[in-house]
Amino acid sequence: AQKVTQAQTEISVVEKEDVTLDCVYETRDTTYYLFWYKQPPSGELVFLIRRNSFDEQNEISGRYSWNFQKSTSSFNFTITASQVVDSAVYFCAPKQLTFGSGTQLTVLP
Amino acid sequence: ETGVTQSPTHLIKTRGQQVTLRCSSQSGHNTVSWYQQALGQGPQFIFQYYREEENGRGNFPPRFSGLQFPNYSSELNVNALELDDSALYLCASSFPGLASYNEQFFGPGTRLTVL
Repeated sequence: AQKVTQAQTEISVVEKEDVTLDCVYETRDTTYYLFWYKQPPSGELVFLIRRNSFDEQNEISGRYSWNFQKSTSSFNFTITASQVVDSAVYFCAPKQLTFGSGTQLTVLP
Repeated sequence: ETGVTQSPTHLIKTRGQQVTLRCSSQSGHNTVSWYQQALGQGPQFIFQYYREEENGRGNFPPRFSGLQFPNYSSELNVNALELDDSALYLCASSFPGLASYNEQFFGPGTRLTVL
């Protein structure tokens, strides 16, 4: 069975601060994909990134970066120089059909 | 390219009634998944349809049922509505097959309120 823990329920930062969202997952699968989605106030989930369990290279995309460590079952997400538009709920999904409870990020101007 | 659409946007029903929610998948996507998202929670997987066949189901009772049509659009039916069914219902489509590794494209959701 899949299980995912997003221990941070809510995070509030001031614009331009860096922020890291934590995700810890449990799986018995040897091969799997990990996902992050963003849900802005409009409600529509938006795909951010997919990583293969074989690839532990960190990835950077603009202001976003992801740190995947299989040994600790963590797949953390960092936003650099946060902006007000980053305010949303962020979901980690260790398996496409299983979502964490989400982290509400509020970026204050 | 048209994205995932859902109808209606909002719906109010009373306990015991039946409801049908509709979803049009993104062009070319043959897999549709339905999720229930209660307030303050993550989406909970209801079931998935692949080429008109149910292909996986979450921990939801049989009164939650669905259909997928030849054009890959889909319906979610809920019978004997209960107060706890009040939630945002999300539809997601993906391609080419099972959604375990392909990113999903979500619709805006249907907000169901059961009184």
